[in-house]
Amino acid sequence: QSALTQPASVSGSPGQSITISCTGTSSDVGGYNYVSWYQQHPGKAPKLMIYEVSTRPSGVSNRFSGSKSGNTASLTISGLQAEDEADYYCSSYTSSSTLVFGTGTKVTVL
Amino acid sequence: QVQLQQWGAGLLKPSETLSLTCGVYGGSFSGYYWSWIRQPPGEGLEWIGEISHTGSTNYNPSLKSRVTISVDTSKNQLSLKLNSVTAADTAVYYCARDNGGGSAFDIWGQGTMVTVSS
Repeated sequence: QSALTQPASVSGSPGQSITISCTGTSSDVGGYNYVSWYQQHPGKAPKLMIYEVSTRPSGVSNRFSGSKSGNTASLTISGLQAEDEADYYCSSYTSSSTLVFGTGTKVTVL
Repeated sequence: QVQLQQWGAGLLKPSETLSLTCGVYGGSFSGYYWSWIRQPPGEGLEWIGEISHTGSTNYNPSLKSRVTISVDTSKNQLSLKLNSVTAADTAVYYCARDNGGGSAFDIWGQGTMVTVSS
């Protein structure tokens, strides 16, 4: 199974909105509403930010939102803050009953 | 709240077997799927496989021939074995709980750095 495709880096100024894309196929992203997004700060374990495409776990800021169109899912961070600077990974359930992660995106707050 | 605590050998030689255990504390072990995930230094996340409390497993096809994930429900523990390791298996290994939302991992272990070197 191939990793989902994410941009290597995305940047924005404080207060701005940014969007990270996650492109797969009809056998993963496009076929199921089981896309998740994770935030990872250096040296830390990933943190679940979005699951089932657009659901936020309790305690996650509503500045984070998710969506999907066809084989591409997206994570939008609005009102960008310095603490949002981190690596972000998407993941998707697949038709083989496995899971695949995205290639990862480094978010930089300018 | 539920916490995952991992332990296992951190330094292996090529061809040896990687063995890690993850204990689940402060919450239910039953009714969830539990996964192992790894991250090579400076690289992205890779899903290794998962197991239910009943022992049902799914594995990453690229690792399936070398991986075994098992559970001990009496101890609320899951284990990972990866045989015939090489330098390419050097990574931080995490255990994680699937919250039931389609393979979404809401609780993670602290991570264990495993280095394979002769």
